[in-house]
Amino acid sequence: ELKVEQNPLFLSMQEGKNYTIYCNYSTTSDRLYWYRQDPGKSLESLFVLLSNGAVKQEGRLMASLDTKARLSTLHITAAVHDLSATYFCAVVSRSNDYKLSFGAGTTVTVRA
Amino acid sequence: DAGVIQSPRHEVTEMGQEVTLRCKPISGHDYLFWYRQTMMRGLELLIYFNNNVPIDDSGMPEDRFSAKMPNASFSTLKIQPSEPRDSAVYFCASQNSRDRVKYGYTFGSGTRLTVV
Repeated sequence: ELKVEQNPLFLSMQEGKNYTIYCNYSTTSDRLYWYRQDPGKSLESLFVLLSNGAVKQEGRLMASLDTKARLSTLHITAAVHDLSATYFCAVVSRSNDYKLSFGAGTTVTVRA
Repeated sequence: DAGVIQSPRHEVTEMGQEVTLRCKPISGHDYLFWYRQTMMRGLELLIYFNNNVPIDDSGMPEDRFSAKMPNASFSTLKIQPSEPRDSAVYFCASQNSRDRVKYGYTFGSGTRLTVV
């Protein structure tokens, strides 16, 4: 069974500083996704990472993938309040590439 | 496109009652997924369909849960009888298999179910 672990589970950020969220997964995967969820809302797709060394950036968020280490990181640069949300990574396994397995999520709070 | 549409947004029901959650996927999407989200267990895949056919229902917790997809534009998740531990947010998501490499699922807004 594919297991996806995120850490930290809770992250209190200070505005203007940089932080990283980590996502480890247990089996070989060809595809990893990052989602954002605001409180009481649905999940919004942020990034799709397809290959080893892939890097995607959007605004203050940058995601990368190391398939050999089975690790993805979501880096937040100069945190701002509107980045407060829960961030999920999700992975598909090679045995079933339609089925997403989600991490537990990292709840981010950005304070002044 | 209006996205994935779920109804109702909120449902409060008494233990023992039947609950039906509804989902309309994005037109042209051939995969549909039902997830449940709780604080304790996070996001759990319950069942998914391809071209209206159930492919994997191994995540359905008990026989009290059933799901159908009578056509490409509609799916239901039914709980009968409901129990307080079924209280959760239930998400429906859909995907076009041809685009799965570029995009993840598109999620609906969810149904928040409270069983009292």
